[in-house]
Amino acid sequence: GAVVSQHPSRVICKSGTSVKIECRSLDFQATTMFWYRQFPKKSLMLMATSNEGSKATYEQGVEKDKFLINHASLTLSTLTVTSAHPEDSSFYICSARDPQGAGGPSETQYFGPGTRLLVL
Amino acid sequence: GQNIDQPTEMTATEGAIVQINCTYQTSGFNGLFWYQQHAGEAPTFLSYNVLDGLEEKGRFSSFLSRSKGYSYLLLKELQMKDSASYLCAVMDSNYQLIWGAGTKLIIKP
Repeated sequence: GAVVSQHPSRVICKSGTSVKIECRSLDFQATTMFWYRQFPKKSLMLMATSNEGSKATYEQGVEKDKFLINHASLTLSTLTVTSAHPEDSSFYICSARDPQGAGGPSETQYFGPGTRLLVL
Repeated sequence: GQNIDQPTEMTATEGAIVQINCTYQTSGFNGLFWYQQHAGEAPTFLSYNVLDGLEEKGRFSSFLSRSKGYSYLLLKELQMKDSASYLCAVMDSNYQLIWGAGTKLIIKP
């Protein structure tokens, strides 16, 4: 149990375009999902917390107009990188909390496989 | 401020035992997690400790001392596939995860 998928796994785009990344909880309903980015050999950086049916909570320094988050259902959250620039190139990872705790403690975050974004 | 400290890198030999330490200072405590992350992949959940003591799960064990703000992950009978980064994360009083920078574990034959 507690499987999270993420799509696409890899994307290359031109500077100025927008990219949408989907995060799905496959076998549980996730009221809360998290979006992280990770630069090579660096730790995870939380970007925002996504709550189903309400606005996302962004971490300090993260531009909410650039990184649009939508959590329209209990199994899907999307991150859209708008007007992408080369400095947005990174590894984006989502995670979801399983409130039923079927796969472990209910506070456990289960991660998607990540999306590697390269902006040219 | 909130802080998680763990060694940057460790090296061990296949078949041996290694202990990865994590110390933390956070505003409140609602549990400590260990995750494994292979290069280029997302983290996978290993263990969760919220009470003092040792939790054993196969070749991996995790220990917690809340009074000392200290945890360790113990890996036994090391295999080459255990080469990865190991992330320590603490859930604070707001149920936010505070992440350590990770310990890169290198296993040598």
